[in-house]
Amino acid sequence: DTEVTQTPKHLVMGMTNKKSLKCEQHMGHRAMYWYKQKAKKPPELMFVYSYEKLSINESVPSRFSPECPNSSLLNLHLHALQPEDSALYLCASSQLERLDTQYFGPGTRLTVL
Amino acid sequence: KNEVEQSPQNLTAQEGEFITINCSYSVGISALHWLQQHPGGGIVSLFMLSSGKKKHGRLIATINIQEKHSSLHITASHPRDSAVYICAVRSGGGADGLTFGKGTHLIIQP
Repeated sequence: DTEVTQTPKHLVMGMTNKKSLKCEQHMGHRAMYWYKQKAKKPPELMFVYSYEKLSINESVPSRFSPECPNSSLLNLHLHALQPEDSALYLCASSQLERLDTQYFGPGTRLTVL
Repeated sequence: KNEVEQSPQNLTAQEGEFITINCSYSVGISALHWLQQHPGGGIVSLFMLSSGKKKHGRLIATINIQEKHSSLHITASHPRDSAVYICAVRSGGGADGLTFGKGTHLIIQP
């Protein structure tokens, strides 16, 4: 199984809502990533989890809160988002070796009204 | 932080043509990835390179570490190859996120 799954595929939320994005992999990977991709732009790294611990936070606003409850799951909790946060949110996973491939999920397309 | 430059940004070609997409980066890397993204978002990893050359079907990827440059070639291009091709680099070891180029939007016309 070389698949990374993400739910939901699409999400529309108001600025006062609280919602969560979910990512799951069953490849035994110990690193998981959240990327944000605006339209017609390349993805930008948000967070990296290594062995279920947050290892990289690329100065992401606190309205985005990541969580890694176990080695297969990665969540991104959203609260008080702004319309400019509308984007495609991509999850990826990889082994921790230096020369390993990152496997990407299909993404969650988020619209903030 | 590594700067990743791709060229061309947009490329339209006829079916059957040989395609080359170039990528250069500014700082030493542990690995370079070529990724494909279709409309709708999903990203597929095509190649990961740390040296030399790799081939998979009609796709060939090369990297020159000394010159900090990589190329992706598509032979006998087909309309289904139409997608955005993204070069991304990994600077460190362990769990290190990727730094992406801006992508090349490729359209292959029948």
